[in-house]
Amino acid sequence: KAGVTQTPRYLIKTRGQQVTLSCSPISGHRSVSWYQQTPGQGLQFLFEYFSETQRNKGNFPGRFSGRQFSNSRSEMNVSTLELGDSALYLCASSEGTGGSNQPQHFGDGTRLSIL
Amino acid sequence: DAKTTQPNSMESNEEEPVHLPCNHSTISGTDYIHWYRQLPSQGPEYVIHGLTSNVNNRMASLAIAEDRKSSTLILHRATLRDAAVYYCIQKGSARQLTFGSGTQLTVLP
Repeated sequence: KAGVTQTPRYLIKTRGQQVTLSCSPISGHRSVSWYQQTPGQGLQFLFEYFSETQRNKGNFPGRFSGRQFSNSRSEMNVSTLELGDSALYLCASSEGTGGSNQPQHFGDGTRLSIL
Repeated sequence: DAKTTQPNSMESNEEEPVHLPCNHSTISGTDYIHWYRQLPSQGPEYVIHGLTSNVNNRMASLAIAEDRKSSTLILHRATLRDAAVYYCIQKGSARQLTFGSGTQLTVLP
């Protein structure tokens, strides 16, 4: 089975621009979560989607948004980019409804740099 | 989900067993303990998870204390490839993972 695929792997943007990151979950997985990793804050939860619906959202501003498609693929969008948005963005998928007994499987992330 | 407590760093010699401790004193009856590790330039990798009894898989073993307030991840024979940050996560009703700062494991040749 192929793992979680994230594209692109690297991205450079300038302040004020917007960006869209893509995630293809493991085949059959319907729950997709997004995380941000920075040296200062570590790994922080952004949001989680299941069956095209956002079920959970972390403590991030409204500039961060996402969506999930009927094939479970997901995208996240960041608008009006700020220098502090430079980070590794990670996508994870899990089987079923993503409950406490279900592990998450991560992609290798998209490294976003803001100039 | 509550945060867990882990040592910031540990060292091990190659081909020796490694015991990575984790405290989760506020764990509730239905919370699972999950372990992930993150190698440099990669996303976190699922290692193992359990509820009450000890668990084994091809990567590691998980020993959970009888009162469930602590657990230990056991790598039976460390290799250089096991050098990574190891995260112990208490996963309850919230579907997201709450990561702490983890334990940086250094494996010495």
